[in-house]
Amino acid sequence: GAVVSQHPSWVICKSGTSVKIECRSLDFQATTMFWYRQFPKQSLMLMATSNEGSKATYEQGVEKDKFLINHASLTLSTLTVTSAHPEDSSFYICSARVVGTLSYEQYFGPGTRLTVT
Amino acid sequence: QKEVEQNSGPLSVPEGAIASLNCTYSDRVSQSFFWYRQYSGKSPELIMSIYSNGDKEDGRFTAQLNKASQYVSLLIRDSQPSDSATYLCAVRRMDSNYQLIWGAGTKLIIKP
Repeated sequence: GAVVSQHPSWVICKSGTSVKIECRSLDFQATTMFWYRQFPKQSLMLMATSNEGSKATYEQGVEKDKFLINHASLTLSTLTVTSAHPEDSSFYICSARVVGTLSYEQYFGPGTRLTVT
Repeated sequence: QKEVEQNSGPLSVPEGAIASLNCTYSDRVSQSFFWYRQYSGKSPELIMSIYSNGDKEDGRFTAQLNKASQYVSLLIRDSQPSDSATYLCAVRRMDSNYQLIWGAGTKLIIKP
């Protein structure tokens, strides 16, 4: 149980283009999903908290107009990197918590490796 | 002072021995604690959660929590080369919407 998928697993795009990453909870509902970014040999950095049916909450320093988050259903959240630049190249990982529980456990998707050329 | 601190390592342990990973946290009212394992190039995987003082065992893994001293540890018995990974400690952020505060992780190497 508590399986989270991400698509695509890796993507290469040209500078200036936009990329959409999907995060799905496969066997549970998730009112809250989280988007992280991880650079090589560094720890997880929370970018934003995504809540179903409402606006995402972004961490300080994360540009909300550049990293668009949509959480349209209880099983799907998307992150769109707009006007991507080489410095946006990173490992993007989503996580989700199970709705209806008091648990704070987060279950992670397999991640999306983005390379901007 | 970082909110969640871990020794970055690497921690090198011979195969079959006990690996001991430590984590300290600064928020005295924290209630929920988690250990995740992250293999190189992969996403984190939940190993254990612990909420009460004392020990919690799951197979070869034992989590230990001491709220008075504000530390949580993870013991791995009979360490295997497949346990080689980075271990992340996470603590529930009390003033947020289910967010976790993450340590930087300890790299563990199990030597055959």
